[in-house]
Amino acid sequence: NAGVMQNPRHLVRRRGQEARLRCSPMKGHSHVYWYRQLPEEGLKFMVYLQKENIIDESGMPKERFSAEFPKEGPSILRIQQVVRGDSAAYFCASSFRGEKLFFGSGTQLSVL
Amino acid sequence: SQKIEQNSEALNIQEGKTATLTCNYTNYSPAYLQWYRQDPGRGPVFLLLIRENEKEKRKERLKVTFDTTLKQSLFHITASQPADSATYLCALDIGNNDMRFGAGTRLTVKP
Repeated sequence: NAGVMQNPRHLVRRRGQEARLRCSPMKGHSHVYWYRQLPEEGLKFMVYLQKENIIDESGMPKERFSAEFPKEGPSILRIQQVVRGDSAAYFCASSFRGEKLFFGSGTQLSVL
Repeated sequence: SQKIEQNSEALNIQEGKTATLTCNYTNYSPAYLQWYRQDPGRGPVFLLLIRENEKEKRKERLKVTFDTTLKQSLFHITASQPADSATYLCALDIGNNDMRFGAGTRLTVKP
């Protein structure tokens, strides 16, 4: 059973471009979480999704950010019109029914 | 306001000693609490889960306690080794398996 797969591992964007971060959960997992982490800081919650539903998006800025977890395919975190402050590591985690989370290796987003 | 606080940013101890990390929270009533380990450049890895009706949980050299009255969890690593050096994160279920993390404590075990 492959682990949580995130891609790309590194993503470079210029200011104003769009960033699309992908997360394939572990097989059988229907819960997906997205967190953001800056160097030497903890994980900041962004959004919690279950298949086709957003359960909690209170940590995600209302503008420019969106997330989805369709019935088929990976979860996508989308950041439109990126700014330098969006530079960070973005981690995705999945779980079977909540509780124990399995994390991917993260996507390091750099905005030039 | 709701907070999850871990006792210190960094903890340095000598090999063989017991490391004790603290996680305090306010204005939450978690059904369970978890501890994760994170190494540089990697995603966190699950270590232990303890439920609100459990006082203590053990796994090999790891021990976790959970005091819902004090709103505190303690995480112990006994007979610490340099390989235990990492950042340790506590995480709370704030309801419906919605998970929030503390800022983490960076543990360094010196030989």
